[in-house]
Amino acid sequence: GAVVSQHPSWVICKSGTSVKIECRSLDFQATTMFWYRQFPKQSLMLMATSNEGSKATYEQGVEKDKFLINHASLTLSTLTVTSAHPEDSSFYICSAARVNSPLHFGNGTRLTVT
Amino acid sequence: DAKTTQPPSMDCAEGRAANLPCNHSTISGNEYVYWYRQIHSQGPQYIIHGLKNNETNEMASLIITEDRKSSTLILPHATLRDTAVYYCIVRVGLAGGTSYGKLTFGQGTILTVHP
Repeated sequence: GAVVSQHPSWVICKSGTSVKIECRSLDFQATTMFWYRQFPKQSLMLMATSNEGSKATYEQGVEKDKFLINHASLTLSTLTVTSAHPEDSSFYICSAARVNSPLHFGNGTRLTVT
Repeated sequence: DAKTTQPPSMDCAEGRAANLPCNHSTISGNEYVYWYRQIHSQGPQYIIHGLKNNETNEMASLIITEDRKSSTLILPHATLRDTAVYYCIVRVGLAGGTSYGKLTFGQGTILTVHP
């Protein structure tokens, strides 16, 4: 079964509002989670690395004040898209690192900003 | 992490074996080869990984050349549900294949399985 749960699976929001996406590791603790973004017909692009109890590490070109990441517990990381705009519409995917196991991914969140 | 090269697309008939190649000529000695696939509008799914020996699991087989500069993912009996984008990724792994670090995705191979 799924080991990483992502919620919601899809969301539509109005321009200027904020949207929170949750990523949970099921039955295991994940000290590190990763957030990716994928535009249509493109590959996954890493946005940031989320570490439990510390600040996230963002990839070059990703605005940390726009994409807020909180990894408050060993099983939950959240990504908040603040003041969303239509160009933020994308497929957001999280993944979690599990001991002695390859990286597992959530099923993604389709964000549409109108 | 070493760069990988994959064909952009491949076709396969249902029931036949699908052989997906990947070149990773700059792979280092401590880098593993990972394969993931992404079915439309879903998150990537782990398939298999290996260091230098051939590997097989319930989903696929991974054949790594002796010089480790290339590998082939084999789906022995492809079904329509195997239609997906297949990603070959090379990165440093810990003993046992644990991947704590990030994975960098290339463009992958679009595999289309047809009836």
